[in-house]
Amino acid sequence: NAGVTQTPKFQVLKTGQSMTLQCAQDMNHEYMSWYRQDPGMGLRLIHYSVGAGITDQGEVPNGYNVSRSTTEDFPLRLLSAAPSQTSVYFCASSLTGTGFYGYTFGSGTRLTVV
Amino acid sequence: AQKVTQAQTEISVVEKEDVTLDCVYETRDTTYYLFWYKQPPSGELVFLIRRNSFDEQNEISGRYSWNFQKSTSSFNFTITASQVVDSAVYFCALKGNTDKLIFGTGTRLQVFP
Repeated sequence: NAGVTQTPKFQVLKTGQSMTLQCAQDMNHEYMSWYRQDPGMGLRLIHYSVGAGITDQGEVPNGYNVSRSTTEDFPLRLLSAAPSQTSVYFCASSLTGTGFYGYTFGSGTRLTVV
Repeated sequence: AQKVTQAQTEISVVEKEDVTLDCVYETRDTTYYLFWYKQPPSGELVFLIRRNSFDEQNEISGRYSWNFQKSTSSFNFTITASQVVDSAVYFCALKGNTDKLIFGTGTRLQVFP
């Protein structure tokens, strides 16, 4: 019973490099989402998905792409990393509708772009 | 639009003091959920409480208590007899009719021995 697994835990990128942050859950949750956390800003929603094949933008989507080909996985792609994307990234999942009981969060990915 | 306001950026107390963290929310949805999370220095998010909009009863769990008042759109969190281990960033969050969870900016609590 792993919950929400995020990989990697730490990453340093050079400006302009691309990478994918992985998020996987084994709870059959329909809803998955990505947040970034910056000092004084709280957690801000980047993208979310309510099921396989369905994604939508959150508050701060620019510079990030997502896809949801399976219920279990929701990767976050940075196509050309910028120093402004230095942040801690959290993935969260939940059941939806009448099955909602709360959110499960991953342990976070600390990304530094130099 | 949904919004969560945590006006207190940082609070410092001495151990054994009581401290209240404020949370004010905005939503037009009639059904919604409110949450508190704790983020200790290690960085993970620790779930503390979930309350739905139909349950205004106050909740007490050990030294923690929560006061939910729909009339003032507030969901305040009180720690009684604070301890050094309570030092953390605390987030209030709101889920409305959609599945999205919206966070406040957080309150950093420092408890000094």
